[in-house]
Amino acid sequence: DAGITQSPRHKVTETGTPVTLRCHQTENHRYMYWYRQDPGHGLRLIHYSYGVKDTDKGEVSDGYSVSRSKTEDFLLTLESATSSQTSVYFCATGAIHNEQFFGPGTRLTVL
Amino acid sequence: QQQVKQSPQSLIVQKGGIPIINCAYENTAFDYFPWYQQFPGKGPALLIAIRPDVSEKKEGRFTISFNKSAKQFSLHIMDSQPGDSATYFCAAKESGNTPLVFGKGTRLSVIA
Repeated sequence: DAGITQSPRHKVTETGTPVTLRCHQTENHRYMYWYRQDPGHGLRLIHYSYGVKDTDKGEVSDGYSVSRSKTEDFLLTLESATSSQTSVYFCATGAIHNEQFFGPGTRLTVL
Repeated sequence: QQQVKQSPQSLIVQKGGIPIINCAYENTAFDYFPWYQQFPGKGPALLIAIRPDVSEKKEGRFTISFNKSAKQFSLHIMDSQPGDSATYFCAAKESGNTPLVFGKGTRLSVIA
């Protein structure tokens, strides 16, 4: 997985609670991404970063925020989790936009 | 609006068959077209990619065919094996500081 770790790998939480997912990379890649994967929807981009403190919204950013204070870490926060945010979340990194390396994923269940 | 349309959603082939997965796009600014392979419980991984200046690219048993005028590209897997059973995603990207846009994926099952 190209030096990418995601934590936690599994999480069950309740509606209305805040949740933070962490992506850590050891590749010194400039770009980092958060996707969610749902049956029938494929991979949908939530937010991405093109450098420390530089982030932009993706296709499905509502209800999510991100932060990148160090090159190696990209955090995804659900301020108030909802059942519609139950999904598998993948982090990806890349030295260039063209090539993305994906992490192992985090399975999040919101009850 | 879905920028990259992928079909079929699922595909079952016999071992040795040649599954074909198709993708279509409208954005003529796309200039990079990769395919990703994802095994159950794992993240997707880059399989093969093509740029629109060539019509075909082969890597081992995997071939991308690209038709610029039709705005379509496809993945062919020669002599498919049960180990090729996975979900395949096509993607596309414009030049510059823009991220990849993914299709919805095709679940391939190769049966012995």
